[in-house]
Amino acid sequence: EDQVTQSPEALRLQEGESSSLNCSYTVSGLRGLFWYRQDPGKGPEFLFTLYSAGEEKEKERLKATLTKKESFLHITAPKPEDSATYLCAVQAGSNTGKLIFGQGTTLQVKP
Amino acid sequence: DVKVTQSSRYLVKRTGEKVFLECVQDMDHENMFWYRQDPGLGLRLIYFSYDVKMKEKGDIPEGYSVSREKKERFSLILESASTNQTSMYLCASRLTGGHRGAFFGQGTRLTVV
Repeated sequence: EDQVTQSPEALRLQEGESSSLNCSYTVSGLRGLFWYRQDPGKGPEFLFTLYSAGEEKEKERLKATLTKKESFLHITAPKPEDSATYLCAVQAGSNTGKLIFGQGTTLQVKP
Repeated sequence: DVKVTQSSRYLVKRTGEKVFLECVQDMDHENMFWYRQDPGLGLRLIYFSYDVKMKEKGDIPEGYSVSREKKERFSLILESASTNQTSMYLCASRLTGGHRGAFFGQGTRLTVV
């Protein structure tokens, strides 16, 4: 069964304290791994797509990496405005475009 | 950018009512999805549609049905609302193989009393 697990469930950081969020997956034929950011009361917003092991993507203080079993979202010197829930999703081997989501990691960055 | 619009931000309905949640996308995407989001459970797929009048059950379809009569519109129907269907409902659309994954609407916070 295709499955996505994110850890930790919640993370509190001080401003400037770098850390990483984890997304572990088991899928039959990965067609893409996606990271989203979700602010309270809003829909998720797209951040990155990763397709193959070894691939990396960066945007401002965020960097996403991918291995054959997991993905990491590295946050360097976070600011309070980075506080949000970060969601990971995978598309498995089917052609329907269906995405399977993890439970999310809620990040709080304190000034 | 793609726009996915959900008909309501907040809804309050009574137990037993039939509830319709509407979603419209403006970029000709084949695939549309309905998720519900609950604390600690993440996004769970209720139904998805990969073409007009085509649908597949997701992980938690019980108590729900869907309708897709036009490509741009995907409706979620709660046949007889119950309190355990109180949740945030998110609609999404995407191209098959689209590089940006799915685009989401703003969500509908449904409370069943």
